[in-house]
Amino acid sequence: RKEVEQDPGPFNVPEGATVAFNCTYSNSASQSFFWYRQDCRKEPKLLMSVYSSGNEDGRFTAQLNRASQYISLLIRDSKLSDSATYLCVGYSSASKIIFGSGTRLSIRP
Amino acid sequence: NAGVTQTPKFQVLKTGQSMTLQCAQDMNHEYMSWYRQDPGMGLRLIHYSVGAGITDQGEVPNGYNVSRSTTEDFPLRLLSAAPSQTSVYFCASSLQGYEQYFGPGTRLTVT
Repeated sequence: RKEVEQDPGPFNVPEGATVAFNCTYSNSASQSFFWYRQDCRKEPKLLMSVYSSGNEDGRFTAQLNRASQYISLLIRDSKLSDSATYLCVGYSSASKIIFGSGTRLSIRP
Repeated sequence: NAGVTQTPKFQVLKTGQSMTLQCAQDMNHEYMSWYRQDPGMGLRLIHYSVGAGITDQGEVPNGYNVSRSTTEDFPLRLLSAAPSQTSVYFCASSLQGYEQYFGPGTRLTVT
């Protein structure tokens, strides 16, 4: 079992919809979590940090559930420009940084 | 600020050849790292460095060497290229290992 697992998708939703996807992790020692966004054939870019108390940045909300060992990303009022692959990552230490394989999101007009 | 730069953008090697992928950052970050990204596998940590003169292995270090003589530069050396090393390589930097900034990547093909 992978330490960080994501549904690969693709999630295909209409513009303006709300979409959410989860990322599960198996290593309870993972301390910090982040979401990155990666456009096709580009480098990953940090989207937001994930806290137990939740983290909201505009249309994006991230949440960490330590009891069930998953993190989530919610995108409201989705835009065409949100089409990308979303990567979750868990940090246990400097040498233990585990990226998920990514969830592909496609927003249709 | 150029951020994180990588050269070359593309490279084709023959099996057994060696080469160095260059990475530089101008943000004065102590932490730098190298990842490879393969389809369906996510990014995997190859080597990382927490400061000049200090390097350590990540998840998939075999076949790769690194050094960190300055804060700015963190080259990755492929000792004897193999087809299994065909991948996209990303260099990243950050203040403390979290919230990493990635370079544009090097697409490497080994034939």
